[in-house]
Amino acid sequence: EAGVVQSPRYKIIEKKQPVAFWCNPISGHNTLYWYRQNLGQGPELLIRYENEEAVDDSQLPKDRFSAERLKGVDSTLKIQPAELGDSAVYLCASSGPGQGSHGYTFGSGTRLTVV
Amino acid sequence: GQSLEQPSEVTAVEGAIVQINCTYQTSGFYGLSWYQQHDGGAPTFLSYNALDGLEETGRFSSFLSRSDSYGYLLLQELQMKDSASYFCAVSSGSSASKIIFGSGTRLSIRP
Repeated sequence: EAGVVQSPRYKIIEKKQPVAFWCNPISGHNTLYWYRQNLGQGPELLIRYENEEAVDDSQLPKDRFSAERLKGVDSTLKIQPAELGDSAVYLCASSGPGQGSHGYTFGSGTRLTVV
Repeated sequence: GQSLEQPSEVTAVEGAIVQINCTYQTSGFYGLSWYQQHDGGAPTFLSYNALDGLEETGRFSSFLSRSDSYGYLLLQELQMKDSASYFCAVSSGSSASKIIFGSGTRLSIRP
């Protein structure tokens, strides 16, 4: 079984430019998460989807960040415009029905550097 | 709000035993999870405790005391490959599907 797939693996952009990250969760996993991880810190939840519905986006900076999950499968996270402080690793994770207690499966992440 | 506290760094000797503690404050607590993350890698799930007591999985064990809002991860027979960051995480929300992570403990193993 393929794991959670994210792309790109690395991205370097200049500040004020837009950037987008893509995530393909494990087949059948209805819950999808986007996390941001700064160096030396734990992952910080940005948004959680149950199927195609965003059920928790309280930590998403909505002035510049947006996300979508069309058809309840793949998801895209966008930043526009990017700021220097957005440099971090953006992690996507998924879990199946009732599997919240069994842990997430994370993708390898996208390491974003804003210069 | 929710918060978790764990030591930032721990050093141990190969072959020894190490315990990483975690205390938490949260509402709607369902359980405590542990994740391992090697440098440059993705967090990987290690264990989950919903009830008080010890859960054992090979060389790793995890403990939870709900009354004390406290848990720990115990690593036995340490190997060099266990050098990594370890995160505790609390589950809350419906179906325990919302997970908040601590800041992580960096475990260094020396020969």
